[in-house]
Amino acid sequence: SAVISQKPSRDICQRGTSLTIQCQVDSQVTMMFWYRQQPGQSLTLIATANQGSEATYESGFVIDKFPISRPNLTFSTLTVSNMSPEDSSIYLCSVLTGGVEFFGPGTRLTVL
Amino acid sequence: TQLLEQSPQFLSIQEGENLTVYCNSSSVFSSLQWYRQEPGEGPVLLVTVVTGGEVKKLKRLTFQFGDARKDSSLHITAAQPGDTGLYLCAGDHNNDYKLSFGAGTTVTVRA
Repeated sequence: SAVISQKPSRDICQRGTSLTIQCQVDSQVTMMFWYRQQPGQSLTLIATANQGSEATYESGFVIDKFPISRPNLTFSTLTVSNMSPEDSSIYLCSVLTGGVEFFGPGTRLTVL
Repeated sequence: TQLLEQSPQFLSIQEGENLTVYCNSSSVFSSLQWYRQEPGEGPVLLVTVVTGGEVKKLKRLTFQFGDARKDSSLHITAAQPGDTGLYLCAGDHNNDYKLSFGAGTTVTVRA
């Protein structure tokens, strides 16, 4: 199993600013993912973040808007840049280990 | 259009009743997972099914994977208020470890 923590747990931000979300895992994992879950909706994969390579983004998501860092096997960050109210969502990181995907508790972002 | 269609979207039942949630797709999945998510938390894995026709039981929960590996169901017997939550099915259809999620079923069990 894997225990994942995210910081911050929630934030309220102003339009046009940026927020960096941190994801910390209690063990070394190769594959880490970032998802967005908009209010009342399911999870949408933003990107895959593997250590040692650039993040791979899904259709509709770009690096300029959601830059990702993966400096080591236990940590990653997702930045939501130049935010607008449409970015209000829950952002979740997850890791794949032992063939099972474990999720962090999420970061609830509100953009005013 | 979602790769995985879940039904119903909402389900509200009385404690002690049974319920079934369905997850359907036109695509074949190498594996399919069921998660439960509670408010303020991330999804928690309940089960993974990989073999067509597979049935797995987890206490009062029964999971079934269709023979063609395109659909799945989750059945809860004698539901309890603690079963309340958002139930999500998710599948890997490209064998690339990327999950596609269904829209979710919000289950409310009233005491």
